[in-house]
Amino acid sequence: AQSVTQLDSHVSVSEGTPVLLRCNYSSSYSPSLFWYVQHPNKGLQLLLKYTSAATLVKGINGFEAEFKKSETSFHLTKPSAHMSDAAEYFCVVSDITDSWGKLQFGAGTQVVVTP
Amino acid sequence: GAGVSQSPSNKVTEKGKDVELRCDPISGHTALYWYRQSLGQGLEFLIYFQGNSAPDKSGLPSDRFSAERTGGSVSTLTIQRTQQEDSAVYLCASSLTGTANTEAFFGQGTRLTVV
Repeated sequence: AQSVTQLDSHVSVSEGTPVLLRCNYSSSYSPSLFWYVQHPNKGLQLLLKYTSAATLVKGINGFEAEFKKSETSFHLTKPSAHMSDAAEYFCVVSDITDSWGKLQFGAGTQVVVTP
Repeated sequence: GAGVSQSPSNKVTEKGKDVELRCDPISGHTALYWYRQSLGQGLEFLIYFQGNSAPDKSGLPSDRFSAERTGGSVSTLTIQRTQQEDSAVYLCASSLTGTANTEAFFGQGTRLTVV
């Protein structure tokens, strides 16, 4: 079965500085990987997804993530944080050993952006 | 509709009562998922429906929980004899095919409080 570990429960960055959210996964087969964002009192929104195409994936709002099989990582980055990036971010994995629909969520990383 | 719709948005119930939570997926989506989001527990998979296949119920925490999906569209999650530990946000999601390349679209959730 698959699993995912988000290495930081909280990240605090200054506006205009880079953001790095770390995610490691475990999967027996070629996984699909996703990053979702949840703003306060809002639903989950897909930022980007990796499904065995290009290893560098670009998403919405300037975010991107790189799939590194050798490191079993899928870290999320953004060159310059905005105040609107303050939210909770979830790394998600699914693979064929479980039903594809059983998305396995990480525990989440709370991002705080300071002026 | 434009997105996944869940009702009610908030539900307060007394311990021991039964509750029903409703999910209207995006039209045409064959896959439907239920997740539970609790403080300190992250996002927990509950159940997954894919077309006419038997649902994957492996995440249901006890036999007090059940779900059905009528006509391949609307789904109802039922919790019988509610307990305080059932208090959480219940999230529904749907995807076009439920396979690796399709993203899951989430509803805003139903916040259940058991008093």
